[in-house]
Amino acid sequence: DAKTTQPPSMDCAEGRAANLPCNHSTISGNEYVYWYRQIHSQGPQYIIHGLKNNETNEMASLIITEDRKSSTLILPHATLRDTAVYYCIVRVVETSGSRLTFGEGTQLTVNP
Amino acid sequence: DGGITQSPKYLFRKEGQNVTLSCEQNLNHDAMYWYRQDPGQGLRLIYYSQIVNDFQKGDIAEGYSVSREKKESFPLTVTSAQKNPTAFYLCASSLTSYEQYFGPGTRLTVT
Repeated sequence: DAKTTQPPSMDCAEGRAANLPCNHSTISGNEYVYWYRQIHSQGPQYIIHGLKNNETNEMASLIITEDRKSSTLILPHATLRDTAVYYCIVRVVETSGSRLTFGEGTQLTVNP
Repeated sequence: DGGITQSPKYLFRKEGQNVTLSCEQNLNHDAMYWYRQDPGQGLRLIYYSQIVNDFQKGDIAEGYSVSREKKESFPLTVTSAQKNPTAFYLCASSLTSYEQYFGPGTRLTVT
């Protein structure tokens, strides 16, 4: 699996956009980028995934660079409840079930 | 409500005892997973199962065992051979290859 690099922590003001970067310079052509988040003492929650096109859902947007060596997760209007550890994961999708390798992620703190 | 349940939320055991953590899902998912999380760390995969009666070792399987006799159940036994069993244990399941659904976790303390 391609290794990912994320900043250990970030701060964001409530109501502003939170932009969380992830570097995955060794990503291969058949590997997807996934984002999960984990609120303190809870199980992780899936946010979004993508291959090469930008993606958007009700939670966030995922911007992947053209060379696919980095990506950015965007929370457009961060709230206090978005305070969590955000994990960027790169993985080949298997036909049934996909092993995920979680790094240490980015601790996002949304401040009032 | 559909989801994954793990019980109990907190578990205390004496060193040298085996302990079994429960994980049940009613999402009709084929694949199930067990992860371990230590303070300030990411999740590490212990075991996973893609189908009933079959499972594979993850990255840190030593000292753990699992069974998958039913689609909805994937219990994890932490044996006395596991040198540092105190941790937060998370169970997950998936139907598609993209999204894993996680349970609330069991915090195991061994003294």
